[in-house]
Amino acid sequence: AQKITQTQPGMFVQEKEAVTLDCTYDTSDPSYGLFWYKQPSSGEMIFLIYQGSYDQQNATEGRYSLNFQKARKSANLVISASQLGDSAMYFCAMREDNAGNMLTFGGGTRLMVKP
Amino acid sequence: DVKVTQSSRYLVKRTGEKVFLECVQDMDHENMFWYRQDPGLGLRLIYFSYDVKMKEKGDIPEGYSVSREKKERFSLILESASTNQTSMYLCASSPVSDRPNKETQYFGPGTRLLVL
Repeated sequence: AQKITQTQPGMFVQEKEAVTLDCTYDTSDPSYGLFWYKQPSSGEMIFLIYQGSYDQQNATEGRYSLNFQKARKSANLVISASQLGDSAMYFCAMREDNAGNMLTFGGGTRLMVKP
Repeated sequence: DVKVTQSSRYLVKRTGEKVFLECVQDMDHENMFWYRQDPGLGLRLIYFSYDVKMKEKGDIPEGYSVSREKKERFSLILESASTNQTSMYLCASSPVSDRPNKETQYFGPGTRLLVL
């Protein structure tokens, strides 16, 4: 079974609007971390935001916030006030405590911001 | 700033050739990783290393080997390249942390390999 599922292969959003990128995960480990990365067309992976399984509050980093619903095992990324530079691939990833330092990635979502 | 560099951004090789992809990090990280990225499949772990001369298989090690002779350098080797190894290859590193599940990995710019 997929450990990380991103159901939206591609999405459009109008500039200045907010957008939510979906991520669901599957784990039986009570301690884990969830990460979002951005990959522009240049190829490098840019770390955006982190949410720990025991964190009480949803993580926020500037225009990025994570809508963490533990019971539903979802960790959706919300980008507010989209900018043209947000057009990129976005990957959700998970690290489980019992898996050491390994990250498991979802298939990614391509976000396209329309002017 | 952490810097992870990869020896080539683009590489074209022929079937059967031996291919070396080099990765260097400058932050004294213990852990290093090689992934391949294919459309719709995200990143899949090929091999990782948690110390010099140590290596562990990831999810898709077949057809690949690795070498880590120095802490800062982690090489991915395709012993006999095949067309199904055409892909984007990403290297990453991370430090050992007392909260390992919080520590992000730092990625290189990637190498786009085409095997003809």
